[in-house]
Amino acid sequence: AQSVTQLDSHVSVSEGTPVLLRCNYSSSYSPSLFWYVQHPNKGLQLLLKYTSAATLVKGINGFEAEFKKSETSFHLTKPSAHMSDAAEYFCVVSNTGNQFYFGTGTSLTVIP
Amino acid sequence: DTGVSQDPRHKITKRGQNVTFRCDPISEHNRLYWYRQTLGQGPEFLTYFQNEAQLEKSRLLSDRFSAERPKGSFSTLEIQRTEQGDSAMYLCASSLVDRADGYTFGSGTRLTVV
Repeated sequence: AQSVTQLDSHVSVSEGTPVLLRCNYSSSYSPSLFWYVQHPNKGLQLLLKYTSAATLVKGINGFEAEFKKSETSFHLTKPSAHMSDAAEYFCVVSNTGNQFYFGTGTSLTVIP
Repeated sequence: DTGVSQDPRHKITKRGQNVTFRCDPISEHNRLYWYRQTLGQGPEFLTYFQNEAQLEKSRLLSDRFSAERPKGSFSTLEIQRTEQGDSAMYLCASSLVDRADGYTFGSGTRLTVV
């Protein structure tokens, strides 16, 4: 069975400070892992994906994530938060590509 | 190609009415997925198609829910005899047959049942 746990429902950071959004996954097989971002009234946008290549994955808008099999984690980071980063972030796991299993989301607030 | 389009953006309906939503995927994508997102939750898988074949529908929430993709292009999701608990955002996504690409999502249809 596949599942994702996003450890924080809300994260608040000051503009210009680092962002860390935590995600732990459970999967019976080698998973594909994704981070999606959802801005208000907008569709889900793919930030980055891990598919068994390099464990450090770089995505759009300066985000990156590291796949750690021993910790079953796929945390999302960004060195310096921007006001436009305020949104809902979803960690996603998939084994087959036929179904994505979403976490419950982390709401990121960026304080000016 | 402007991405995945969903219509309507918003739908308000009275309890007991039937509603139908449409999704137009990216033209070269042969897979199409429907998800439901309720407030404060991540999207939840409902069903998916590869071309016109519906390959998984066991996750549809009840027999009031049905989906079609008759020509392997656009898809419709119908909810019959709507209930207040059906109020949610209904998301459509499409992809190529390659999980590494991830999905491209539409902006969703927000359903409110009153």
